[in-house]
Amino acid sequence: AQSVTQLDSQVPVFEEAPVELRCNYSSSVSVYLFWYVQYPNQGLQLLLKYLSGSTLVKGINGFEAEFNKSQTSFHLRKPSVHISDTAEYFCAVSELSGGYQKVTFGTGTKLQVIP
Amino acid sequence: SQTIHQWPATLVQPVGSPLSLECTVEGTSNPNLYWYRQAAGRGLQLLFYSVGIGQISSEVPQNLSASRPQDRQFILSSKKLLLSDSGFYLCAWKKGGHTGELFFGEGSRLTVL
Repeated sequence: AQSVTQLDSQVPVFEEAPVELRCNYSSSVSVYLFWYVQYPNQGLQLLLKYLSGSTLVKGINGFEAEFNKSQTSFHLRKPSVHISDTAEYFCAVSELSGGYQKVTFGTGTKLQVIP
Repeated sequence: SQTIHQWPATLVQPVGSPLSLECTVEGTSNPNLYWYRQAAGRGLQLLFYSVGIGQISSEVPQNLSASRPQDRQFILSSKKLLLSDSGFYLCAWKKGGHTGELFFGEGSRLTVL
């Protein structure tokens, strides 16, 4: 069974500083990996996704993530954060299970950007 | 373009009352549809998914049920709400293919008193 671990429930960071949000997954088969962002009282929006190919994936709003198969990680990074990046970020893994694409989410990391 | 809508956006209901949350998708056909519940510190819990009209699968036993009366309509229901049903409910749909990329609605916040 697949699972996703986001060890950091909250990450405070100063504006314009770099940030890394960690994500580790476990799965018995090939997976697709995603990062979503959620602003207060809204649904989730896709930031970026890894399907295949280059292990460095670039997404919206200057975010990028690197797929590391040996470490089963998919950490999210941004070199310089803005106040508007304050939100909750979810890592997700998707695999084919029982005939449908099962998507499992981590517990989320709240990014707080400090002015 | 495809859109997904949920309503109501917020709902306050007494314990023991019924529930109906509705989700509709426009601009696509035969989507896979999902209901998730989000509780603080627990991420998103998959409640139900549907691959077609009348086809509902449940991930966890609970006080809730789901129905898909039309191709692009997905309804979450309960006959008698419990306090533990409070939470933020998210509907999502998936594009064709197997990438698993989900598109989410705006969410419905349910408070059971």
